[in-house]
Amino acid sequence: AQKVTQAQTEISVVEKEDVTLDCVYETRDTTYYLFWYKQPPSGELVFLIRRNSFDEQNEISGRYSWNFQKSTSSFNFTITASQVVDSAVYFCALSEAEEYGNKLVFGAGTILRVKS
Amino acid sequence: KAGVTQTPRYLIKTRGQQVTLSCSPISGHRSVSWYQQTPGQGLQFLFEYFSETQRNKGNFPGRFSGRQFSNSRSEMNVSTLELGDSALYLCASSLSAGYGSYEQYFGPGTRLTVT
Repeated sequence: AQKVTQAQTEISVVEKEDVTLDCVYETRDTTYYLFWYKQPPSGELVFLIRRNSFDEQNEISGRYSWNFQKSTSSFNFTITASQVVDSAVYFCALSEAEEYGNKLVFGAGTILRVKS
Repeated sequence: KAGVTQTPRYLIKTRGQQVTLSCSPISGHRSVSWYQQTPGQGLQFLFEYFSETQRNKGNFPGRFSGRQFSNSRSEMNVSTLELGDSALYLCASSLSAGYGSYEQYFGPGTRLTVT
């Protein structure tokens, strides 16, 4: 069965600190996709990244970077030099290629609070 | 390009009533998914529609149903509302319905309160 675990319920940092959000997943499928979404107080989920199971290259986009390690079934997200605008709930999600459609299984989310 | 729109944004209903929520996907997107978000259960998949057909369904009772129109707009309906149906209902659109590969873009949600 597919499962996504985000063990950190809430993280508080001071502006300009680096912060890493952890994500561990479980799947029996060999082809799968991992996602990160950001949910600001407005409620809308904002897409950040998609990674397929065959691409273990780390990715960097501005202050954001992602570390995908199949050996540990982890897909961690790091924000460098955090800003107050980064305060939000961050969700890691998984979809499997075995099942037709785009169904996402989400982790419980990590609340990130960045203080000035 | 306009994003995903959902109407209404807020809704208050009484237990036992029914409700219909609407979602308009991003122009050109043909797949629409619905999710329920509650503090206790988190984000849970309800169902997905593509080409006016339900392609996948989550583990929700039959009181939850949906449909998709030829212009890809979708509606979801909840009958015989229960207090536990109070939640944020999020609609997501994607270009197509593949095998897990398409990115989904979410709307702002409809906050349903059942009293």
